[in-house]
Amino acid sequence: AQSVTQLGSHVSVSEGALVLLRCNYSSSVPPYLFWYVQYPNQGLQLLLKYTSAATLVKGINGFEAEFKKSETSFHLTKPSAHMSDAAEYFCAVTPMGTNAGKSTFGDGTTLTVKP
Amino acid sequence: DAMVIQNPRYQVTQFGKPVTLSCSQTLNHNVMYWYQQKSSQAPKLLFHYYDKDFNNEADTPDNFQSRRPNTSFCFLDIRSPGLGDAAMYLCATSRGRGSSYEQYFGPGTRLTVT
Repeated sequence: AQSVTQLGSHVSVSEGALVLLRCNYSSSVPPYLFWYVQYPNQGLQLLLKYTSAATLVKGINGFEAEFKKSETSFHLTKPSAHMSDAAEYFCAVTPMGTNAGKSTFGDGTTLTVKP
Repeated sequence: DAMVIQNPRYQVTQFGKPVTLSCSQTLNHNVMYWYQQKSSQAPKLLFHYYDKDFNNEADTPDNFQSRRPNTSFCFLDIRSPGLGDAAMYLCATSRGRGSSYEQYFGPGTRLTVT
């Protein structure tokens, strides 16, 4: 079985500051990892995914994440926060060889951006 | 633009009154999913279709049913909604069932049960 832990249910940063959202996973087989963003009253939108190619993955809206096997982490970063980044962010893991629908989502991190 | 569309965006129903939520997609994806998402929680998979092959999650209540009459459309039927079924219902698609495939989500239907 796999699991995802997102450390910090709420993160607040100032506009222009570094964004760091943490995600740790456990999986008995190599995982595929995803970050999704959800704006209020909207569905989830893929930010980026790791599928065992490059460990540093670049996504949309200036976000990137680094897969660190030794730390079982897939933290999401953005160098400079923008007001429009305020949203809820979900990390998800799908163990290799399993059904995409069996992704396990973390509980989410709400990002607040202060002016 | 190819997308996942959910109607209605907001649905109010009475306790025990059947309700149907609809989802359509223009992505021509093989797989369609239904999730339930309660406030400040992760989405919870209810079931999914791979083409016409229906897959129910073990802990999905019998009160929830689904239909997929064709590739483009999928419906979620709640036979007797309870107060605990008030939630956001998300439809999603993926090109295949492989674990590397990401999911494409619709905007959701927020269900209120009075």
